[in-house]
Amino acid sequence: AQRVTQPEKLLSVFKGAPVELKCNYSYSGSPELFWYVQYSRQRLQLLLRHISRESIKGFTADLNKGETSFHLKKPFAQEEDSAMYYCALSGGASGSRLTFGEGTQLTVNP
Amino acid sequence: DTGVSQDPRHKITKRGQNVTFRCDPISEHNRLYWYRQTLGQGPEFLTYFQNEAQLEKSRLLSDRFSAERPKGSFSTLEIQRTEQGDSAMYLCASTQTASGNTIYFGEGSWLTVV
Repeated sequence: AQRVTQPEKLLSVFKGAPVELKCNYSYSGSPELFWYVQYSRQRLQLLLRHISRESIKGFTADLNKGETSFHLKKPFAQEEDSAMYYCALSGGASGSRLTFGEGTQLTVNP
Repeated sequence: DTGVSQDPRHKITKRGQNVTFRCDPISEHNRLYWYRQTLGQGPEFLTYFQNEAQLEKSRLLSDRFSAERPKGSFSTLEIQRTEQGDSAMYLCASTQTASGNTIYFGEGSWLTVV
């Protein structure tokens, strides 16, 4: 079975502060991990995926297979980062369905 | 291409009525997914299609739920004899498995059963 856990439902930081959104997963094989973001009144959209190893909007995430984690980080949060963030896992096969965590609502205060 | 589109965006129905949602995926996307999302939860997988073939159904998809993708393009999700517990956001998503596998989501269809 595959499972994604996001331990924080709510996270509040001040503008310019570092932010880390935690994600842990459970999967017996080699998963593909994603972060999706949903801004207010917008659709769910892909933020980044671990195989791309890229930084999007200043966010990065490293897959730690030993700790089965895929935490999302940004060194200096901006107010426009306020959104709902979902960590998701795919079983690895092409186009496999995503299993989502419950999400973390990030609020960046001025 | 405007992305994945869903219709209707909002539906209020009385308990016991049938409802149908439509999803138009991004053109030439061969895989289409349906998810359900309730307040405070992440999206939960319901079913997916590879072209017109329904390849997987979640245990969440009771007998009252049926999904089709008859020509491998748009899809419909029908809920028969709706119950209050069916109230949720129904999300459609699509991807092209041959090109990067990024899954794109629609804006969802809100269902309220009263």
